[in-house]
Amino acid sequence: AQKVTQAQTEISVVEKEDVTLDCVYETRDTTYYLFWYKQPPSGELVFLIRRNSFDEQNEISGRYSWNFQKSTSSFNFTITASQVVDSAVYFCALSEDNQGGKLIFGQGTELSVKP
Amino acid sequence: EAQVTQNPRYLITVTGKKLTVTCSQNMNHEYMSWYRQDPGLGLRQIYYSMNVEVTDKGDVPEGYKVSRKEKRNFPLILESPSPNQTSLYFCASCIGRGGPYEQYFGPGTRLTVT
Repeated sequence: AQKVTQAQTEISVVEKEDVTLDCVYETRDTTYYLFWYKQPPSGELVFLIRRNSFDEQNEISGRYSWNFQKSTSSFNFTITASQVVDSAVYFCALSEDNQGGKLIFGQGTELSVKP
Repeated sequence: EAQVTQNPRYLITVTGKKLTVTCSQNMNHEYMSWYRQDPGLGLRQIYYSMNVEVTDKGDVPEGYKVSRKEKRNFPLILESPSPNQTSLYFCASCIGRGGPYEQYFGPGTRLTVT
């Protein structure tokens, strides 16, 4: 069965620290897609990245980077030099090709960046 | 501006009083869905729709109804709300079915049922 696990419920760091948010997924499909969303205190969901199962290249976007490893079924998210504005709940999600677009979300990790 | 809108954004109601949360998208998307967000559970899909007049249950459909009479609108109906439906609700749309398409989320509706 498909599942996404974010074992870290809450993380607290001091500004400028690097932080990694873990995401482990389970799926039997060979074609699937992984996502990260950010939910700031205002409540909306902000799309960060989508990665398909055939592309294991790591991705970097500014201070954000993602490490996709099929061997360990993980899709971890690292914020370098964290800032207070990074404080939010972060969700990892999985979509399988045969599931009609449904996103399966992890429980979320609440990141608090203190000045 | 491409967007998904939801109304109302906040709602407090009483048990058993029927309510509808509206969702509308202006991107001509075929696929629309509803999710609820609860602490410790992430978001879970309630219902989805592949196109006009085509709807199907997600993972937690009990106590909810939907309709898709027009492509742009996908209202969520709670015929007899109960306190366990207190939650944050999100509507989402994307261009088609399948994983590769980005889903656009509405701003959320915070519902409290007393």
